[in-house]
Amino acid sequence: EAQVTQNPRYLITVTGKKLTVTCSQNMNHEYMSWYRQDPGLGLRQIYYSMNVEVTDKGDVPEGYKVSRKEKRNFPLILESPSPNQTSLYFCASSPRRTNEKLFFGSGTQLSVL
Amino acid sequence: GESVGLHLPTLSVQEGDNSIINCAYSNSASDYFIWYKQESGKGPQFIIDIRSNMDKRQGQRVTVLLNKTVKHLSLQIAATQPGDSAVYFCAENTVGSQGNLIFGKGTKLSVKP
Repeated sequence: EAQVTQNPRYLITVTGKKLTVTCSQNMNHEYMSWYRQDPGLGLRQIYYSMNVEVTDKGDVPEGYKVSRKEKRNFPLILESPSPNQTSLYFCASSPRRTNEKLFFGSGTQLSVL
Repeated sequence: GESVGLHLPTLSVQEGDNSIINCAYSNSASDYFIWYKQESGKGPQFIIDIRSNMDKRQGQRVTVLLNKTVKHLSLQIAATQPGDSAVYFCAENTVGSQGNLIFGKGTKLSVKP
């Protein structure tokens, strides 16, 4: 089944403890992206990647890192999480080399205490 | 504008009726528009897109209308079904863009059986 898989689904952590949210897609898509979703603010892009070893900042990149060592994987790294990073995170990929027609994962609900 | 979460605009329709969800976009330079559907606990799902060289595009039971003069986008769902209950987001960007897709804050559609 074609899909974008994120793990974990839920994560509770404490301030300053490094964490990684994994994202993998099995559709051979070149474009991948991370979004966060907050009440009243909607979906905002964190980082995106057009291809392996190519990443770029979205609208809200502060406090996040990404890597794209393989085409299928695009992990989101929080080196030192803070409470304002408590949010619902979505990974997405696209069959086009742009942000058109995104396929989203099921989301990761992160709580930073 | 709309808001995700507690203050989300809600449209309530009877099963079998047609639904119209509206969206005002902000950037007159935007030339690509998308509608996404997000069911509870899931990631957004692509419904239909339209480029600015078109006024109307039809899919299966859905129609998107674009009025560039007043920067307005609408999604029409024919014969609305309980499975259509979800939050619907419009999004805008420029064709070929790799960067941030600008999402509206969503409208919640509730279908009464």
